[in-house]
Amino acid sequence: GAVVSQHPSRVICKSGTSVKIECRSLDFQATTMFWYRQFPKQSLMLMATSNEGSKATYEQGVEKDKFLINHASLTLSTLTVTSAHPEDSSFYICSARVLAAGEQYFGPGTRLTVT
Amino acid sequence: DQQVKQNSPSLSVQEGRISILNCDYTNSMFDYFLWYKKYPAEGPTFLISISSIKDKNEDGRFTVFLNKSAKHLSLHIVPSQPGDSAVYFCAASADDYKLSFGAGTTVTVRA
Repeated sequence: GAVVSQHPSRVICKSGTSVKIECRSLDFQATTMFWYRQFPKQSLMLMATSNEGSKATYEQGVEKDKFLINHASLTLSTLTVTSAHPEDSSFYICSARVLAAGEQYFGPGTRLTVT
Repeated sequence: DQQVKQNSPSLSVQEGRISILNCDYTNSMFDYFLWYKKYPAEGPTFLISISSIKDKNEDGRFTVFLNKSAKHLSLHIVPSQPGDSAVYFCAASADDYKLSFGAGTTVTVRA
């Protein structure tokens, strides 16, 4: 199957700082990538859709100025959590959609802890 | 509003027997359904999918059944193996490809 990587896998940062998370499709091109967030013992919640070469579209309730998404190439999307606060601590997961297919392949996730 | 529901938070099954996971949805625009398996602190792994034009799809030990009129789908795993112990998520999408996930079912396969 298609491989998606995320970096870093785990990050601890201080409140008020910004953190960048990278999502890469390793063996395929992805015009569309998605960013999800998962709180402990809860389901994955879609945050935003990242489209290569255009602005991301955000789900209702997600602050676009706080969660900056850039999709500069067909294999890379980044999520930057700006001015992080402890309530931003969560598990962030990206996925990439294989062209002409419905499946999405997920990265391994990034555990963010804001102290 | 939860559009995809997995009403059983957990399932325990003996090794070698069948595991049946259920999923219900409310959005009639959903036309593609997927099952993912997830271990703690890892991303979901795609298992199997089904399009709304089908009512069954089979891949090895995994079979997904779709009942459109009831807005219900199920995943059958047979025979269940210890390595199948994980959280299973049902997901659905419409033509925008955005996935809506259920809350997950934790499967425990007993030796």
